[in-house]
Amino acid sequence: DTGVSQDPRHKITKRGQNVTFRCDPISEHNRLYWYRQTLGQGPEFLTYFQNEAQLEKSRLLSDRFSAERPKGSFSTLEIQRTEQGDSAMYLCASSLVWASGAEQFFGPGTRLTVL
Amino acid sequence: GDSVTQMEGPVTLSEEAFLTINCTYTATGYPSLFWYVQYPGEGLQLLLKATKADDKGSNKGFEATYRKETTSFHLEKGSVQVSDSAVYFCALSGGGGGSNYKLTFGKGTLLTVNP
Repeated sequence: DTGVSQDPRHKITKRGQNVTFRCDPISEHNRLYWYRQTLGQGPEFLTYFQNEAQLEKSRLLSDRFSAERPKGSFSTLEIQRTEQGDSAMYLCASSLVWASGAEQFFGPGTRLTVL
Repeated sequence: GDSVTQMEGPVTLSEEAFLTINCTYTATGYPSLFWYVQYPGEGLQLLLKATKADDKGSNKGFEATYRKETTSFHLEKGSVQVSDSAVYFCALSGGGGGSNYKLTFGKGTLLTVNP
């Protein structure tokens, strides 16, 4: 199965620490999206890449968050100086085409707990 | 901005019962509409979609019709099974006319089907 993979699946950290998550999209998918999902809510858009270019960032993405997609393949999402409010499931999705009806394929997510 | 409102859960049904999960949306343009499903312990996966008004999406016995006049995309299934127990998310993309095609999700509806 060559679906979207994310690593780690779970991360527990102390407040103030930095964390980094990785997403490996389906190969040949040009678009890569990051979403955040908190308990009882639907996923919320954070940012997206087309190939290696980061084209949009949500207002949810504070200065402590940074994302990269070097060489247009895997992507990393880093959170600096974590806060308890950062506790959430971080989802990555990729798509082959960019169109209104294009399916996004989701990874299993990384669950972050900030103590 | 774009938004999706879906029926609050949880919904509990007996096997073979009829299912309806209501979803309405607000969008400035002409969005595509989706239902995603999340089975226990798994990632989000596309259940069905519709890209223009009056289109009907269908998959695995589930159906939803894009109703522009009522801005709705209600999910229905005639006879649910225990294996349909999951969280269902209504979503849209392409509503604002931009090219990011990010997904805007509702809060999700937990469905439990009892034998």
